[in-house]
Amino acid sequence: DAKTTQPTSMDCAEGRAANLPCNHSTISGNEYVYWYRQIHSQGPQYIIHGLKNNETNEMASLIITEDRKSSTLILPHATLRDTAVYYCIERRASKIIFGSGTRLSIRP
Amino acid sequence: NAGVTQTPKFRVLKTGQSMTLLCAQDMNHEYMYWYRQDPGMGLRLIHYSVGEGTTAKGEVPDGYNVSRLKKQNFLLGLESAAPSQTSVYFCASRDSSARKNIQYFGAGTRLSVL
Repeated sequence: DAKTTQPTSMDCAEGRAANLPCNHSTISGNEYVYWYRQIHSQGPQYIIHGLKNNETNEMASLIITEDRKSSTLILPHATLRDTAVYYCIERRASKIIFGSGTRLSIRP
Repeated sequence: NAGVTQTPKFRVLKTGQSMTLLCAQDMNHEYMYWYRQDPGMGLRLIHYSVGEGTTAKGEVPDGYNVSRLKKQNFLLGLESAAPSQTSVYFCASRDSSARKNIQYFGAGTRLSVL
């Protein structure tokens, strides 16, 4: 089955941009890439999604490579409250499948 | 606007007991999902529903049953709880629009089976 791969953990200094990579080399042409995050023990929270073009919203930016085999989530000015596990997810039919995610730590 | 509400928030069961977890959403969403999350792991899909009266199996359906009698509610049942079902359970819902597969999650139910 197609799946995404992400680094297990990353850290970033507060106030700097956090860049989280994701590989989705087997994603099909019409499948979106979604990003969610999970803060501590809360339910996951939607961040952003995209198909081919780069996307930006109030939370983050999403850069998708032209071949769609990978993407990068950018948190432009990381704060301590951005410490969380970040999931890069592919959609399959009516389901989204979570991997293990990247644990992002923001250091003061 | 409550969004997705899960009941109860915490529960401790003895092996062999049964219980039902309730998920309620007030967003008129067609699709609803039940996940479990074990320590240090991502979410795994148990069952899901694409509309009232319909259910389907996810990645880890064994030991669980579900029902979607009303559009706003999705129930997850454990008929005979086992220690391996100790986990945090999350419910989610989303609109049926193909362009926006944005799932909204509840706060979770923490279940311990002794």
